[in-house]
Amino acid sequence: GAGVSQTPSNKVTEKGKYVELRCDPISGHTALYWYRQSLGQGPEFLIYFQGTGAADDSGLPNDRFFAVRPEGSVSTLKIQRTERGDSAVYLCASSLAPGQPYEQYFGPGTRLTVT
Amino acid sequence: AQRVTQPEKLLSVFKGAPVELKCNYSYSGSPELFWYVQYSRQRLQLLLRHISRESIKGFTADLNKGETSFHLKKPFAQEEDSAMYYCALSGQLGGGNTGKLIFGQGTTLQVKP
Repeated sequence: GAGVSQTPSNKVTEKGKYVELRCDPISGHTALYWYRQSLGQGPEFLIYFQGTGAADDSGLPNDRFFAVRPEGSVSTLKIQRTERGDSAVYLCASSLAPGQPYEQYFGPGTRLTVT
Repeated sequence: AQRVTQPEKLLSVFKGAPVELKCNYSYSGSPELFWYVQYSRQRLQLLLRHISRESIKGFTADLNKGETSFHLKKPFAQEEDSAMYYCALSGQLGGGNTGKLIFGQGTTLQVKP
């Protein structure tokens, strides 16, 4: 079956621009997570959705970052006034429900480069 | 503070040699521990989790609460084991646990022929 998909796979943008990154989770998965992976680091948690609501956004670095999941399926991560430090791979993961024993399935990531 | 530490960036071994990838954690409570793997040009995937106590692809990991460690081991490394390995933790099920994962920095395992 189809796994988690993310678009675009690569995004190059200029400093100060606005970007949107999209995640399509596995059908039926109610839990959705966004992570950010900087070069040479492990993924870092950004935000978690249970259904349509953001149940935990404690990982968002500042108010330039925002994410939505209006219908409880597709999610969009939005970054305003991008900075060079935002350059990273943004990963999305979904699971049937939060926590164990449910496995998180990861997408291929979107590589964001801010020039 | 909640933290996962993988002290080795790179571990290089010969095929057939034993492998141990180190992972130490800091967490107030009883976390769930995992190992994730990323093969070249593939997405991140779950390798094993301590709660199920299973052996996947010959790998095992034992949770040592006294030493707060969850080292990954394999007695005989294979070339196809070459990949990036991440240790991760999440809060114990229940009590509002969201399932979010805290990852270590990762260790690249290189198995030479």
